[in-house]
Amino acid sequence: GDSVTQMEGPVTLSEEAFLTINCTYTATGYPSLFWYVQYPGEGLQLLLKATKADDKGSNKGFEATYRKETTSFHLEKGSVQVSDSAVYFCALSGTGGRRALTFGSGTRLQVQP
Amino acid sequence: NAGVTQTPKFQVLKTGQSMTLQCAQDMNHEYMSWYRQDPGMGLRLIHYSVGAGITDQGEVPNGYNVSRSTTEDFPLRLLSAAPSQTSVYFCASSHMDRGETQYFGPGTRLLVL
Repeated sequence: GDSVTQMEGPVTLSEEAFLTINCTYTATGYPSLFWYVQYPGEGLQLLLKATKADDKGSNKGFEATYRKETTSFHLEKGSVQVSDSAVYFCALSGTGGRRALTFGSGTRLQVQP
Repeated sequence: NAGVTQTPKFQVLKTGQSMTLQCAQDMNHEYMSWYRQDPGMGLRLIHYSVGAGITDQGEVPNGYNVSRSTTEDFPLRLLSAAPSQTSVYFCASSHMDRGETQYFGPGTRLLVL
């Protein structure tokens, strides 16, 4: 079945540091790929998405490129801020009719001033 | 639009009690789903629905029932609560098109004693 693997956390960075959170997936066909963010005490919000190979999703300075050849969708940001501290989830939506999301286990990011 | 709403925000149950978690959306989404979030495990799908009158099981359905009598509402019923059902529950909705963003509610935190 479908699965998503993302790097373990927590990731602790200083403000203005470069961020990479790795995400790889296993799925049949061509899934859609997502990054969701969860701030403390809140639900999940879509951060960015990509629906086909080589697409780049971007939002709020974050980027991720859908790499079919390496089955990856790594999240990057050039300069993190304290306000980026949250839990980040990589997820995929398969090509079947269910439309359910398969999530990675989440990566907690802590940004220190 | 209120988006996806969930009630209650927090609930404490005793083992064996039953309860219903409410979920509603006002975006005319066909697809609705329930996930549970447990530490280190990401979110796992409990049940989902692709339209009024149509529901199906997800990854972890045991101990939960759902029904979908209207497009807007998708309640989750715990028949006889167990401590293993202590978790945070999220409802989500989306259109059925491939790659559509799923919108999440704020969550219900459930503690079963």
